[in-house]
Amino acid sequence: NAGVMQNPRHLVRRRGQEARLRCSPMKGHSHVYWYRQLPEEGLKFMVYLQKENIIDESGMPKERFSAEFPKEGPSILRIQQVVRGDSAAYFCASSQEIGDTGELFFGEGSRLTVL
Amino acid sequence: GENVEQHPSTLSVQEGDSAVIKCTYSDSASNYFPWYKQELGKRPQLIIDIRSNVGEKKDQRIAVTLNKTAKHFSLHITETQPEDSAVYFCAATLRGGRRALTFGSGTRLQVQP
Repeated sequence: NAGVMQNPRHLVRRRGQEARLRCSPMKGHSHVYWYRQLPEEGLKFMVYLQKENIIDESGMPKERFSAEFPKEGPSILRIQQVVRGDSAAYFCASSQEIGDTGELFFGEGSRLTVL
Repeated sequence: GENVEQHPSTLSVQEGDSAVIKCTYSDSASNYFPWYKQELGKRPQLIIDIRSNVGEKKDQRIAVTLNKTAKHFSLHITETQPEDSAVYFCAATLRGGRRALTFGSGTRLQVQP
């Protein structure tokens, strides 16, 4: 089992550009979560998705941020017109659907730097 | 609002001593309380968890206790070792159990050799 795969691991963007972060959940997992971690801070929930559905996006900023988890392919977190404050580590996690224990398995994170 | 409070933010202990980290939560419907360890530059990893139908769980040197009435839970690490140095996060399922874990702000544990 390859675990939760995120790419890119590091991404540098200039202000105003777009950032796309991808996440492939663990095999057999259909629940995906995105968290943001600012330097020296905790994990802030952003969005919870299942295949083709957004279940809870209460942690997503109202503008510039969007997420999807299509029927085929990875989940994508998209940040439009990035600003310096978007610089952070973005962690994706997944959990199992059937017999779910609640445990989230995290990827290694995507570290976004906005110049 | 619904949240998870964690204390202390930093903790320094001597090797071999015990470390205790405490968390409180706001949603009385919460039923799952995991603890994650995050080493510098790495991903968070689950170290122990507890469900609301038990009061204590132990796994070798680590244990977690839960007091549902008071809505708080604690992580206990005994016989600490330098490799225990990391940031520890508590979490709870809030939002009516929609399974989006809410994390505490973290505790940076430093074990002095």
